[in-house]
Amino acid sequence: NAGVTQTPKFRILKIGQSMTLQCTQDMNHNYMYWYRQDPGMGLKLIYYSVGAGITDKGEVPNGYNVSRSTTEDFPLRLELAAPSQTSVYFCASSSSGTVNSPLHFGNGTRLTVT
Amino acid sequence: AQSVTQLGSHVSVSEGALVLLRCNYSSSVPPYLFWYVQYPNQGLQLLLKYTSAATLVKGINGFEAEFKKSETSFHLTKPSAHMSDAAEYFCAVSNQAGTALIFGKGTTLSVSS
Repeated sequence: NAGVTQTPKFRILKIGQSMTLQCTQDMNHNYMYWYRQDPGMGLKLIYYSVGAGITDKGEVPNGYNVSRSTTEDFPLRLELAAPSQTSVYFCASSSSGTVNSPLHFGNGTRLTVT
Repeated sequence: AQSVTQLGSHVSVSEGALVLLRCNYSSSVPPYLFWYVQYPNQGLQLLLKYTSAATLVKGINGFEAEFKKSETSFHLTKPSAHMSDAAEYFCAVSNQAGTALIFGKGTTLSVSS
């Protein structure tokens, strides 16, 4: 059982480049999330989805886009990378929201923008 | 709006000593509260959660937390620290809709022998 898989593990981007962070889960979870983690700042919610075709903004959505065409996949798109987007990005999923089911996290993507 | 504040970004204890990690919350509705742990180079995993049943919640690896409404607190404790407890710990509160978690800034626990 793979759980939540994120690719790539590491990436270096130049300012202005674009990229997609991939996230897939094999647990048939409806809810999926993207968080970013910066040292001393904890995790900030970027976007989340409560099911295929439904997405919503979190605390820090600016500079990012998401889509949810299937239950399994929830890619995060950076269109014009900026140094402020240097961070560790975590994808997570849960079966039924946050109260009755835990979040299952991937191992993260470490992104550096220079 | 929901929020959590973790007091102390770093806590150091000796092996066998009491672990106390502090978390205070702010919520406009009865809160659902969580503690997650992150080991190096890994994602987070759930330690325990409070969902309005018992105020003393027991989690994995000997950790427990007590919900105190009068103090708006949800502190995490463990009677005797082990070297393997060294990690970063995050307190979190569910948003009003129950669709996402809002995390605190985290507390790094160091355990010395």
